[in-house]
Amino acid sequence: DIVMTQSPDSLAVSLGERATINCKSSQSVLYSSNSKNYLAWYQQKPGQPPKLLIYWASTRESGVPDRFGGSGSGTDFTLTISSLQAEDVAVYYCQQYYSTPVTFGGGTKVEIK
Amino acid sequence: EVQLVESGGGLVQPGGSLRLSCAASGFIFGSYWMTWVRQAPGKGLEWVAYIKQDGSQEYCVDSLKGRFTISRDNAQNSLFLQMNSLRAEDTAVYYCARAKFGETTLTDYWGQGTLVTVSS
Repeated sequence: DIVMTQSPDSLAVSLGERATINCKSSQSVLYSSNSKNYLAWYQQKPGQPPKLLIYWASTRESGVPDRFGGSGSGTDFTLTISSLQAEDVAVYYCQQYYSTPVTFGGGTKVEIK
Repeated sequence: EVQLVESGGGLVQPGGSLRLSCAASGFIFGSYWMTWVRQAPGKGLEWVAYIKQDGSQEYCVDSLKGRFTISRDNAQNSLFLQMNSLRAEDTAVYYCARAKFGETTLTDYWGQGTLVTVSS
């Protein structure tokens, strides 16, 4: 199984400042035949199901604000919130869908400083 | 509007069984892979199982094989998860999720979840 490791476990950022979350996979999730990274990011607010934000490591899901950005390739990935808003308080998960079983990172809790 | 509504959760004794259902609407159910994901209270996400559009292919995480079975009824726009020999560690919110069109395990819509509590 591919192990996904997120860091930090939590972070507190001032409104309008940048938040950066890291995700590392135990093996590459880059599929050479199509040059796609099988890596997604989800946002989960309290009492709600996860919401897809980013897939293929950097493609924003329809309707997701452009302050959310994904980057990275191979085994190292980053989710960046360029200007944190109050509604961004949530837990963020990375997920690899390169191979089964699909696996998630442990989550990063983002709060307002 | 895509909607996924889970049901069938509740309190069950260790060793018991439950069958979860997920009613889908707002899309052509039979055209999508479907998935179950669970989340223990206060914990992270754990992928459970997924099933192909026509039900001909299914996969369950190794740790649950033999106890959990995923199935679907496209005529009823419904997804199911049969859970047997339940244990305390199966206590979780169970979500059904739809894969993006053309994908197998990249999920774009999730239901609100149904809580399963295994306790005596």
